[in-house]
Amino acid sequence: SQQGEEDPQALSIQEGENATMNCSYKTSINNLQWYRQNSGRGLVHLILIRSNEREKHSGRLRVTLDTSKKSSSLLITASRAADTASYFCATGFSGGYNKLIFGAGTRLAVHP
Amino acid sequence: EAGVTQFPSHSVIEKGQTVTLRCDPISGHDNLYWYRRVMGKEIKFLLHFVKESKQDESGMPNNRFLAERTGGTYSTLKVQPAELEDSGVYFCASSQARTSGTLQFFGPGTRLTVL
Repeated sequence: SQQGEEDPQALSIQEGENATMNCSYKTSINNLQWYRQNSGRGLVHLILIRSNEREKHSGRLRVTLDTSKKSSSLLITASRAADTASYFCATGFSGGYNKLIFGAGTRLAVHP
Repeated sequence: EAGVTQFPSHSVIEKGQTVTLRCDPISGHDNLYWYRRVMGKEIKFLLHFVKESKQDESGMPNNRFLAERTGGTYSTLKVQPAELEDSGVYFCASSQARTSGTLQFFGPGTRLTVL
């Protein structure tokens, strides 16, 4: 069964607006990561937040993690047309393995 | 430094044919992963190599899929015979360490279409 689920599936906003994407997961995790995929390109790592962290920032990105609700959110502030991409959350687990479990992603379109 | 590369970028084959995908990880990365995304669904883990050994192949869908990493450098993923449901994008990633949270660098993917 799917571990991560993002919502919304698609988001359309204007440049300058903020974009918020949510991710829910089902089992205990070691960390949660967000990736971006531009059309036809590979996945680019954006940010990692560990299970003992609640919030993390990187430039215009803000990620929160609520382990009690098994959910995370990615906020992109002051969006730009270049932020148009698909965004995926991925969960990592303890136990010596580094495999990632991804959600289906959110397609973000930022209009000039 | 070159990133993860994958070949081919696209492959269109007929049902029942064989296709081999190749992944070249970042030099020095012992850990290599295969994932795939089918029909806009979630990206699913297939397997993880540590050097030439399969560390975790729990995500391999069935015995039509064969992954190898001879010599611990590049890896191949062969699908034989291909079925329609194998269509999707196959991603490869590599990392220096295998501990959870170690950054994985992804390749651009191979888009496989089975007709």
